[in-house]
Amino acid sequence: DIQMTQSPSSLSASVGDRVTITCRASQSISNFLNWYQQKPGKAPKLLIYLASSLQSGVPSRFSGSGSGTDFTLTVSSLQPEDFATYYCQQTYTTPPEGNTFGQGTKLELK
Amino acid sequence: EVQLLESGGDLVQPGGSLRLSCAASGFTFSNHAMSWVRQAPGKGLEWVSVISGGGRNTYYADSVKGRFTVSRDNSKNTFYLQMNSLRAEDTAIYYCAKDVGITGTTPTFDYWGQGNLVTVSS
Repeated sequence: DIQMTQSPSSLSASVGDRVTITCRASQSISNFLNWYQQKPGKAPKLLIYLASSLQSGVPSRFSGSGSGTDFTLTVSSLQPEDFATYYCQQTYTTPPEGNTFGQGTKLELK
Repeated sequence: EVQLLESGGDLVQPGGSLRLSCAASGFTFSNHAMSWVRQAPGKGLEWVSVISGGGRNTYYADSVKGRFTVSRDNSKNTFYLQMNSLRAEDTAIYYCAKDVGITGTTPTFDYWGQGNLVTVSS
């Protein structure tokens, strides 16, 4: 199974900061990488698909990049509503097997 | 507006069974694969199972293979997760999720249900 590892596991930042979250795959997954945002008590929300494509309705301050094994999610200027947990998910394995999600990165207000 | 409404979560004893349902509306149900994703209390997301749009193809995480069965009724815009031989480690919020595609082979979830709690405990 492909393992997805996110770093850091938690991150403290302030409104207006630029933050970057990293996701690393245990083997190459091309660009088959999604990012989700989850707020406490809520279902996850798709932010980015295929590594860098912004889901409809998602603010442009969110961006994704990377290919192969290393990927990043960047928030250019944090807003109060962005404090949440972020998960990467690989969709390279076909059909899916194992846990396709990273362990999550909790973004907290400093 | 896309809506996914889950039901069936409950407290069940180890070794017991439970069936979750997810009723969908606001899109052409048969054109989309559907998945179940779970989240143990305080933990991360774990993909559980997916069923293709036509219902022919199903895939499972190793942790539930042989115990859980996913199915769908496209005439009712509803899909299901039958959970047998439940274990304490199956305790989680179970989300149903709509796939952007029809095959389910590269699950990408653009809409999610509100989540349904399943507790396995004696």
